[in-house]
Parts: sequence; C-alpha cells; structure tokens
Amino acid sequence: DGGITQSPKYLFRKEGQNVTLSCEQNLNHDAMYWYRQDPGQGLRLIYYSQIVNDFQKGDIAEGYSVSREKKESFPLTVTSAQKNPTAFYLCASSIGSGGQPQHFGDGTRLSIL
Amino acid sequence: AQSVSQHNHHVILSEAASLELGCNYSYGGTVNLFWYVQYPGQHLQLLLKYFSGDPLVKGIKGFEAEFIKSKFSFNLRKPSVQWSDTAEYFCAVTLSTGYSTLTFGKGTMLLVSP
Repeated sequence: DGGITQSPKYLFRKEGQNVTLSCEQNLNHDAMYWYRQDPGQGLRLIYYSQIVNDFQKGDIAEGYSVSREKKESFPLTVTSAQKNPTAFYLCASSIGSGGQPQHFGDGTRLSIL
Repeated sequence: AQSVSQHNHHVILSEAASLELGCNYSYGGTVNLFWYVQYPGQHLQLLLKYFSGDPLVKGIKGFEAEFIKSKFSFNLRKPSVQWSDTAEYFCAVTLSTGYSTLTFGKGTMLLVSP
C-alpha cells in the first residue's frame, strides 16, 4: 500500500542538539510538506517543497531546516535555534500544486529532555 | 491575510445527536475547501472536499458539508453521531488556482458519549 512513513514515532532531544525527523513517501507525489501541531493551534506549516531540490519556508520556518534531494524523501531538521521544539510533527504530500488533497503520515512526537 | 476560523474548540454530544461544526474562511479568490479528521492515535485523513459544482458535498462515514460562498462558510454536518466519531476535526482552505498551501483552522475536538 502506498503511503507516508514518518520515523521515529517518538523522539527525545537534549537542549542544544539538532535532531532530524524522517519522512518518506511512495505515492509518487511531487509536493511534500512539514507541519507542526500544538494543542489548540491546529496545523502550522513549517516548510514545503513542490519539486525535488526546491523548497520554501512556511509560516513558522525559524529554527528548522529541510532538504529535498529525492522525490520520496523530505527530512526535517529541528535545530538548537528552535526555542520551543516540543510538539507533534506531521509530514504530508500531494500530487501537485493548486490545492490538491494532502496525505498525512502518522507523525513524530518530539520532546525535550 | 488568509485565515480559517473554527467556531468551537470542544463539542460534547450524546450518541444519535445531530452535529454541525462551523468553519469560516477569509481568502481572496476562488477556493478549495477540505475537512480532515484525526481519530485518536491515527493519522490525519481526508473527510471530504469541495472544489466546484454542487455546494453540498458528501464525504465518508455519513458526513456532509455545505459551501455557502456568500457567507465564506463550509460547515460540517452529520445527522446522527456515533461514539466512533470521537475525533478532532480540521477545516482547511487553499486557493484553487496557482500554487497555494493549505491553511488549517485550529480544530474542533468532538467527544461523543455513548
């Protein structure tokens, strides 16, 4: 079955450390997204990529970085510059641009030790 | 700025009660509208979508939503809820032309008591 795989499901980080969250899709989708979900805040867009080797900042990109070297993969790095990294992170993909439905992974819950 | 507003953060209903969750948006242009649902411990999944045509759209599990352009609204409805409908519901909007990312509302947590 096609889908989006996020790993790990739970991640713990010490303050001052960078950490990378994995997102892989086998849906052959061009566009991929990273969201942060906090209680009562809905989903907020961190970064998105419309095509390989291209990505754009979303609404809350500060303290995060991404890469898109392969169509299937869109890893997110939470850097030590992110002051409040504890959250639930969701990766999504869609066929293309223009408001197509997005398919979501199961998410990664990041906690600071 | 583009925004999506969901009227209720928490809704508690008994089984068989009718449901209506409000969603209003502020967007300049023609829009595509979505409702997503997140069941406890599961990933976000698409409940229904509106792109064009009949403003009353039907989704999975007996849900429907009505797009009222004059009111900038896309309310979600279900005539009779079940305990299994307990979940968080998100309204989302994007422009239908060009490239536009989804803007999500803050979500409504629905708790259905048996």
